[in-house]
Amino acid sequence: DQQVKQNSPSLSVQEGRISILNCDYTNSMFDYFLWYKKYPAEGPTFLISISSIKDKNEDGRFTVFLNKSAKHLSLHIVPSQPGDSAVYFCAADYNQGGKLIFGQGTELSVKP
Amino acid sequence: DADVTQTPRNRITKTGKRIMLECSQTKGHDRMYWYRQDPGLGLRLIYYSFDVKDINKGEISDGYSVSRQAQAKFSLSLESAIPNQTALYFCATSDPGAGLMTDTQYFGPGTRLTVL
Repeated sequence: DQQVKQNSPSLSVQEGRISILNCDYTNSMFDYFLWYKKYPAEGPTFLISISSIKDKNEDGRFTVFLNKSAKHLSLHIVPSQPGDSAVYFCAADYNQGGKLIFGQGTELSVKP
Repeated sequence: DADVTQTPRNRITKTGKRIMLECSQTKGHDRMYWYRQDPGLGLRLIYYSFDVKDINKGEISDGYSVSRQAQAKFSLSLESAIPNQTALYFCATSDPGAGLMTDTQYFGPGTRLTVL
């Protein structure tokens, strides 16, 4: 039973436009959410996170929005750049347990 | 030098063979993890260790065992490899005492394992 879902396996966006990656979860106990980015032949790298007590966190071109009532979070990348092309995973945690639950990943392609 | 290293990076083995994947870290973190990644399934937790004397099963531990030889080393073993263990394996570390609100994990580059 997938507790964290990324329903879009892939997304293609033009350079300079906004990329929106979505993630849904089912477990209301999750209290922290993270986004990781993964390039081919490399391990995932931490990108941005958000606590369940917030509804938005911003870091440069990256913003994560959390809608607890809908159990939905999204990652916005503005403006998108070709170097952003990668697989993006959302993950959830509770009580700093360290047992991250990952979504399936969305492959973002930013075209010049 | 990379903070989290994994050896080997690629391995092809045969059904029934025992194989060990190794992970080393220089980050000084107490917590270490093993994940596997399969297409369409994301990353799934196999085992995790919060210190040298602490080993815990994750979501998919059947067919795997681990050893935490030191704070810096965490090995994953497949006692008798089978084809459906063909996957990309990642080691990760974290430090919940780093002042962050969550347990941000740092991943190694991965080991691509093929079981024929």
